Amino acid sequence: QVQLQESGPGLVKPSETLSLTCTVSGDSVTTISYYWSWIRQPPGTGLEWIGYIYYTGSTNYNPSLKSRVTISVDTSKNQFSLKLSSVTAADTALYYCARVPGGYGYFDYWGQGTLVTVSS
Amino acid sequence: DIQMTQSPSTLSASVGDRVTITCRASQSISSWLAWYQQKPGKAPKLLIYEASSLESGVPSRFSGSGSGTEFTLIISSLQPDDVATYYCQQHNSYPWTFGQGTKVEIK
Repeated sequence: QVQLQESGPGLVKPSETLSLTCTVSGDSVTTISYYWSWIRQPPGTGLEWIGYIYYTGSTNYNPSLKSRVTISVDTSKNQFSLKLSSVTAADTALYYCARVPGGYGYFDYWGQGTLVTVSS
Repeated sequence: DIQMTQSPSTLSASVGDRVTITCRASQSISSWLAWYQQKPGKAPKLLIYEASSLESGVPSRFSGSGSGTEFTLIISSLQPDDVATYYCQQHNSYPWTFGQGTKVEIK
């Protein structure tokens, strides 16, 4: 049973960097067939794809966030991480990590999500 | 970016009704479309990928069709457990984008 679990601070101050980690169980982040992704959902609104990483370290980011986003992978811990710099209130959202089969671009397993609020 | 537009935004139907949700893409995405179901307080759940392929474990009352720019999700017989918001998502080109969602309620 594949499971993903997000973790990280629930409160971040404006202009600081948001940092989240996704721990994967029941699968390996080095599995050739999968990419690993972050998606966010501002309260009461829709979904926005942030980016993905492959175990080799290859990444692809949403251009709307590209200048502020870094996704990395730690194969020894079976985790991947998100950093979003210079946050504002507009970055307040539920952040999900998810698995992408074969790089096809849909998300077959999701974490439960973690709410990050940007506020002083 | 490819814009995804869903209709209606909200629909109310009776148990047993056939429900249709439409998703339109601002340009052709071939069959690279997925559908998700999101219940309150939960993560989205994959229902359909590549426009018409049913994800393992998803009830057969859910089906998807379409190609190019117009797609539909059909619930053949609405059940109380289907109350949720449904999202389409294109995975034809970057950045991957979602529709704004369709909220399904029981009348």
